[in-house]
Amino acid sequence: NAGVTQTPKFRILKIGQSMTLQCAQDMNHNYMYWYRQDPGMGLKLIYYSVGAGITDKGEVPNGYNVSRSTTEDFPLRLELAAPSQTSVYFCASRVQGSSDTQYFGPGTRLTVL
Amino acid sequence: GENVEQHPSTLSVQEGDSAVIKCTYSDSASNYFPWYKQELGKGPQLIIDIRSNVGEKKDQRIAVTLNKTAKHFSLHITETQPEDSAVYFCAASGLREYGNKLVFGAGTILRVKS
Repeated sequence: NAGVTQTPKFRILKIGQSMTLQCAQDMNHNYMYWYRQDPGMGLKLIYYSVGAGITDKGEVPNGYNVSRSTTEDFPLRLELAAPSQTSVYFCASRVQGSSDTQYFGPGTRLTVL
Repeated sequence: GENVEQHPSTLSVQEGDSAVIKCTYSDSASNYFPWYKQELGKGPQLIIDIRSNVGEKKDQRIAVTLNKTAKHFSLHITETQPEDSAVYFCAASGLREYGNKLVFGAGTILRVKS
């Protein structure tokens, strides 16, 4: 299994541009999450999904959108990028059941100039 | 909602010494407490976790203790090695939080000097 994969690894955007961060997992996990990590801070939850077609907001959803059309994919959309969205973005997944372990992808480093 | 505080923010130890990182949480309903290790340029990886019905858990050189009454939990690393150098995050979650949302501490940079 490749686990959780994310693309791209790095991206520089200009203010006002849009982009989609891709996340995929091949572990047949129901739950998927998007976090952002700012310097010196822990991870903050942006959005999460408990299964295909079901998404919900986390702590810091403003400026982002998500969709979950398949079990495997959970893309994060940034519309009208702002400097405040400069961060490292991590996607994670978890299987439904007794295990609470979340598995993280390698991250996408985004800079908005 | 849940709030997790983590101390210290940086920790330097000599190789072979022990390292202790402490976290406190605010929501008494939280019942799952994982610890993640993040190496430079990589995503966080789970190293150990503990549930609220257990007071201590060990895995080789790593142990976690939980005090539910005081609402704090700690990570203990014994016989530290240079490869233990990384950022460590604690987190907490409870069944009350739909989707098993994890709330993370701010992280501890551990440096093991050889």
